Formats: sequence, C-alpha cells, structure tokens
Amino acid sequence: KNQVEQSPQSLIILEGKNCTLQCNYTVSPFSNLRWYKQDTGRGPVSLTIMTFSENTKSNGRYTATLDADTKQSSLHITASQLSDSASYICVVSAGEYGNKLVFGAGTILRVKS
Amino acid sequence: DAGVTQSPTHLIKTRGQQVTLRCSPISGHKSVSWYQQVLGQGPQFIFQYYEKEERGRGNFPDRFSARQFPNYSSELNVNALLLGDSALYLCASSLTGRYEAFFGQGTRLTVV
Repeated sequence: KNQVEQSPQSLIILEGKNCTLQCNYTVSPFSNLRWYKQDTGRGPVSLTIMTFSENTKSNGRYTATLDADTKQSSLHITASQLSDSASYICVVSAGEYGNKLVFGAGTILRVKS
Repeated sequence: DAGVTQSPTHLIKTRGQQVTLRCSPISGHKSVSWYQQVLGQGPQFIFQYYEKEERGRGNFPDRFSARQFPNYSSELNVNALLLGDSALYLCASSLTGRYEAFFGQGTRLTVV
C-alpha cells in the first residue's frame, strides 16, 4: 500500500530557530517527492520537488533532502519566521504516469515570538 | 497570470443532494487533478484528467465523477451527498500531470 508518513505531527519553535521535518514513504513506482506548505483553509503551495537522482534541493530558507535508498526525506527550515506557521506536507508521486500524488498527513508548525 | 481558480469557494448542501464543483487550470496546463481534504488530514487523490481523458482514479465511490472539457477546465460531481463528504476539495493543474502541480484555493463543502 502506498503510504507517506510524517513526523512530528506538530511542532512549536521560537522565531529565528531552525527545525527539521521528517518524511518516510512506501510508494511504488516512485516518480518524485515534493514538499508543500499549506496555510489553514487554503490550497497547498509547492516548496520543492525532487526526482530519484536528486539528494538535496533548496528554496530560500527551505532545504529538502531525499534518500531514495532508505525512502526518507527531510525538510529543514532555517531562521524561522512567524509566517512559516503552517502545515508542511510531504507528497510522493506514483502511478504509471507519475501523476497520482500520495500525501502525508502533514506536520503542523507553529512559530512563536 | 491567473492561477488555478475554483468555484464556488464555499458551499452548504443537504444530505442526499448533488453538487458540482468547478476548476479552471492555469493557461496552457492540460492536466487537472481533484483531491479531498478532510479537516486535519492530508489531501486524498480522487481523479486526474489529461487531455480530457481520465488518467487515474483514487479509492472513492461511484458517487464521485468528473470530466474535463475541451478548454481543459474540469467539473467534479458528487451525488447523494453524505455528511462524511464535508471537506475541502482541491483542484490542481499541471502541464502534463507528471511534475509540478499548482493548487487552487479549494472549495469548502459542508453537508448538513
């Protein structure tokens, strides 16, 4: 069964601090892995997308890593800001066309001052 | 450039009724996917259409159906609504469906 598991479920950090979110997946066939940021009640917004051959990708203060052998990914956020408070969702694309997205439940991040 | 647009933004329906949700993809995108997001959970894949053909279907009952029009816009229909159908319905568009997907703001459906 295709599954994406994320940890922790929720996280509270102080503004300016760093944090790392984890994602484990069992999805086949694997096409790519994405991290999305979702504000409450809004659609997800893409942060990074990585294919099988990519180990790391950065987008500003966000850095994602991928270990395709262990089927693990992480999202590292540096120098957190209040606006980083959101749900961060790990998504793995599967299926014949790589079009079926399997979503994790997300990690709810709260950044406080 | 207009992003992915969904309508309506909010909707309240009664059990047993039928609902139609609409999605307009980003100009030039030929693939549209639909997702259901129940409060507190990640989105669940419902359908994907590419060039007006169904490319994938998630584990949803036959009460859920969709179609894609020649202009690549799409509709999601849900018949015989149940209370459990209350959710945020998200539409995502992409060029081919394989890589970057851009999401709309969603339609919040409440079934009472």
